[in-house]
Amino acid sequence: SQTIHQWPATLVQPVGSPLSLECTVEGTSNPNLYWYRQAAGRGLQLLFYSVGIGQISSEVPQNLSASRPQDRQFILSSKKLLLSDSGFYLCAWSRDSYNEQFFGPGTRLTVL
Amino acid sequence: SQQGEEDPQALSIQEGENATMNCSYKTSINNLQWYRQNSGRGLVHLILIRSNEREKHSGRLRVTLDTSKKSSSLLITASRAADTASYFCATALQGAQKLVFGQGTRLTINP
Repeated sequence: SQTIHQWPATLVQPVGSPLSLECTVEGTSNPNLYWYRQAAGRGLQLLFYSVGIGQISSEVPQNLSASRPQDRQFILSSKKLLLSDSGFYLCAWSRDSYNEQFFGPGTRLTVL
Repeated sequence: SQQGEEDPQALSIQEGENATMNCSYKTSINNLQWYRQNSGRGLVHLILIRSNEREKHSGRLRVTLDTSKKSSSLLITASRAADTASYFCATALQGAQKLVFGQGTRLTINP
């Protein structure tokens, strides 16, 4: 069976510090991978998605970047965090663009 | 404006009653999906309905899709306290490589 992992679960970082959130998927190959951000009580904002190694599509110009160094690894990064980067970050995978997405447990990021 | 918009934003009902949530969208879709999210957790996929389908059932869930009105509804019958969660619709757009999620409906089931 397939599983998706995200870490850390919670993170408190000062403004201006770097960020690295990691997401890994097990039990499948060549998945589509997605990073979302969710503000409190709101819907999901798609940040990045990837349909293959090294292929990253950015949805919203912002302070973040994503990389896919391996087939089942997706990393969300920032060189300098802003207060507005606070939120709940969710990673997801799917077999293709039209099928259901499977979500990780999320990382709650607070930037102080 | 949003591709997928849920209505209502919040719904509070008594246990045992039926809960209905609606979703409207703007452009042609390949399919529409419903997800559930418990507080502080990741989303869980509930059901997928394709653009050529009109109704689909899964346990106590019933989803309808009206492509002429660009709308869908999710019905949860005989609600339980454990159904308390946020529910999101997501549209798979034709030719796109992503889903577009709505803002969600927060459902509260009172015991």
